[in-house]
Amino acid sequence: ETGVTQTPRHLVMGMTNKKSLKCEQHLGHNAMYWYKQSAKKPLELMFVYSLEERVENNSVPSRFSPECPNSSHLFLHLHTLQPEDSALYLCASSQGSGAYEQYFGPGTRLTVT
Amino acid sequence: RKEVEQDPGPFNVPEGATVAFNCTYSNSASQSFFWYRQDCRKEPKLLMSVYSSGNEDGRFTAQLNRASQYISLLIRDSKLSDSATYLCVVWGSSNTGKLIFGQGTTLQVKP
Repeated sequence: ETGVTQTPRHLVMGMTNKKSLKCEQHLGHNAMYWYKQSAKKPLELMFVYSLEERVENNSVPSRFSPECPNSSHLFLHLHTLQPEDSALYLCASSQGSGAYEQYFGPGTRLTVT
Repeated sequence: RKEVEQDPGPFNVPEGATVAFNCTYSNSASQSFFWYRQDCRKEPKLLMSVYSSGNEDGRFTAQLNRASQYISLLIRDSKLSDSATYLCVVWGSSNTGKLIFGQGTTLQVKP
């Protein structure tokens, strides 16, 4: 399935690096999300964009910086991360930002060394 | 108290068994409820929505009990392919109305 794609699938970065995660949805949806999934913990919502406007910033540290240039693309810019930021980062999209089914991408497995 | 709480399991059952998972939520104002399925090293996918009247999809039955603030998922005639983590998801648990995911319940169906 190619509804929501994410690149890269795996990323290893040092604490002083700067990298970006990319998400693209081909479903014509209006809302996009970033989630963090750590081992043994529930998915944590990080950011929500609806019609390219950020509508949710869930107390995420400033070392994570989202960007939504259009309704099909979403980026997560990373800089000076900590080892505890190692996790699976999932992008999702939905028809709107309400109680709609969310379609997830395959995720980026991030390791911070 | 967690907003959405699930028993992480794992639940180990033989093929053909019936298994049930429960999930509790803390906010009585929650409006919509879902079960998602997540296979190992894969992304979550919607399994079914949960309606007030209860709903059934093949071998899967979902129930909502608003008075007790819990949701259940019943799987009948378990298949090996049902092995996965089942995520309870609640919408409307906060002022912003975002989806809140439970930790998930892991099911292992054995031959």
